[in-house]
Amino acid sequence: DADVTQTPRNRITKTGKRIMLECSQTKGHDRMYWYRQDPGLGLRLIYYSFDVKDINKGEISDGYSVSRQAQAKFSLSLESAIPNQTALYFCATSDSRDRADTQYFGPGTRLTVL
Amino acid sequence: AQKITQTQPGMFVQEKEAVTLDCTYDTSDPSYGLFWYKQPSSGEMIFLIYQGSYDQQNATEGRYSLNFQKARKSANLVISASQLGDSAMYFCAMRGLHGSGNTGKLIFGQGTTLQVKP
Repeated sequence: DADVTQTPRNRITKTGKRIMLECSQTKGHDRMYWYRQDPGLGLRLIYYSFDVKDINKGEISDGYSVSRQAQAKFSLSLESAIPNQTALYFCATSDSRDRADTQYFGPGTRLTVL
Repeated sequence: AQKITQTQPGMFVQEKEAVTLDCTYDTSDPSYGLFWYKQPSSGEMIFLIYQGSYDQQNATEGRYSLNFQKARKSANLVISASQLGDSAMYFCAMRGLHGSGNTGKLIFGQGTTLQVKP
């Protein structure tokens, strides 16, 4: 089984709808992240959480919210989806005990907002 | 501000040959980490290799090695004995490390598409 899972893997929705993307991990990592990737670009950070009680905005948090329900679960919500939120969304995890604090990514969720 | 630059949008390499993917970076952090990720056409992001700014030796992981030149602020990825399965997009990324303004953010370059020819 994959260490970092994301659901759904693909989603098509309409402008104005509320959408939740879910991420869960079995790696035992304390840190979790949400990124988005637009075509031809690298990833940009939306939100990150260093532990269950810690939530921080990334560089592009407007229009998004997150919830860290447990150490293993981190969900991303689009309160009112708009077409320019069409992108590939990645969840990632890392371990603060790792010297490198390497981030390991889930398989991604491809979101299309019509 | 931190920045990663990958100047090669696309590269070709013959199977079994070695290839170097370029990455230069800019940061004012005294301590930082450099990462390479592979993104095949299926879309997932796969961690390949890590280099810490204070590591004395260049990192190696199997067929991957990192040519780290701190003074030149470059962290090039070398793939030896290329295989068809190496065809993918490759991203260089950087972050500040513990105790040096670690905000959790990985800064990514725009990526290099590598195609391995049989």
